This record gives sequence, C-alpha cells and structure tokens, in this order.
Amino acid sequence: EVQLVESGGGLVQPGRSLRLSCTASGFIFDDYAMNWVRQAPGKGLEWVGFIRSKAYGETIDYAASVKGRFTISRDDSKNIAYLQMNSLKTEDTAVYYCTRISTPHTDFDFWGQGTLVTVSS
Amino acid sequence: EIVLTQSPDFQSVTPKEKVNITCRASQSIGSSLHWYQQKPDQSPRLLIKYASQSISGVPSRFSGSGSGTDFTLTINSLEAEDAATYYCQQSSSWYSFGQGTKLEIK
Repeated sequence: EVQLVESGGGLVQPGRSLRLSCTASGFIFDDYAMNWVRQAPGKGLEWVGFIRSKAYGETIDYAASVKGRFTISRDDSKNIAYLQMNSLKTEDTAVYYCTRISTPHTDFDFWGQGTLVTVSS
Repeated sequence: EIVLTQSPDFQSVTPKEKVNITCRASQSIGSSLHWYQQKPDQSPRLLIKYASQSISGVPSRFSGSGSGTDFTLTINSLEAEDAATYYCQQSSSWYSFGQGTKLEIK
C-alpha cells in the first residue's frame, strides 16, 4: 500500500525557515517524481514544485510564487522528499501536501494527509 | 502559465441527478487534464486521468471527456457521498489547478 506521510509543519514567524519531510512507503521511491501542493485555509489547490527521479536527473521545477525561497530535495536511501521553506511570508500559510507523480510526470496519483504551516508573528 | 477555469463554482444538486462540471484551459493542452475529488477535511483523490481514463477503485458513475481546451467531468446518478470539491489539473506545461467546484447534495 502506497503511503506518504508529511511532517515538520507548525507555527513560524515571518522571515523564518521551516523544513517539511515526506516519508514514503509501499512503492519503489527511486522510480518516481515527488511533488508538493499547498492549500491555504478555505482556498483551492496550488502547485508548489516537484523533483524528478534520478533517472531524469533529479531536476526540479518550482511555481513562480515560491521560486528562490523554497527548495525541494530527496534522499532515496531514506525514501524521503523534503521541502525547505525560507523567508516565509504570511501568505505561505497553508496545508502542504506531498504527492507522488505518476510516470511520465502527469497526474498526482497518491497524496499524503498534509501538514499545516502557519506563518504568523 | 496555463490557467484553468472551472464552472460552476458551486452547485446544489439532489441525489440521482446527473452533474456536469466543466474545465476550460487558456490554451490547448491536448488530453493532459486530470480530475480530483476533495471531501471535507480530507486529502484530494485522483478521479480521472488524461481527460477520460478511469482510475482503479473510483466508482463507474464518474467519467470524463474533452480535449484541447474544453473538458467535462460527469457524475451520473449522484450519491450523497459525492458531496465534495472537484478540481481539474493540467500537466501540459508544468502544473496548475482550476479554482474548484463545490458540490452540495440537497
């Protein structure tokens, strides 16, 4: 059974940093691109960014709203994907979901339960 | 950036009704359009991929159609458990989502 479990959310002040983790199980992690999507309270879904598998060079792409502030990485030895968030703004407050991207990089076929990040002074 | 516009934003429907939710892309995306269902306090769930391909475990009353810029999610014989917000998502150029359509069951 595919499982994705996010962790690391919490309350953080504007301008500070936070790192989220996504621990995967139930599939060959190395073979898949991994992705982050966020949802502000009461709002819709917003794509944040994704990292391709090693077979595709582990290249990364970001949404314009987070580019330069957020960094996605992965550790295939631990089956974990990370989202490093720097220079956080109040508008980054959201539930952050980790998803698997089905091959070849199209739909998001499995989602974690999400972790809430609140940016507030 | 490809913008997806869903309609309607909200719909109140009775059980056993047929529902159509549309998603329009700002430029042609072929069949690179996928649909998700999000129930209250739950994570989204993939319903349909590549505009019309079914997903294992999803009830057969859910179907999709369209290509290019216009797409439709159809729910036949609506059930109470279908109360949710539905999102379309494109994978033609990076990724983006529609704003969502909230379905209320009367």
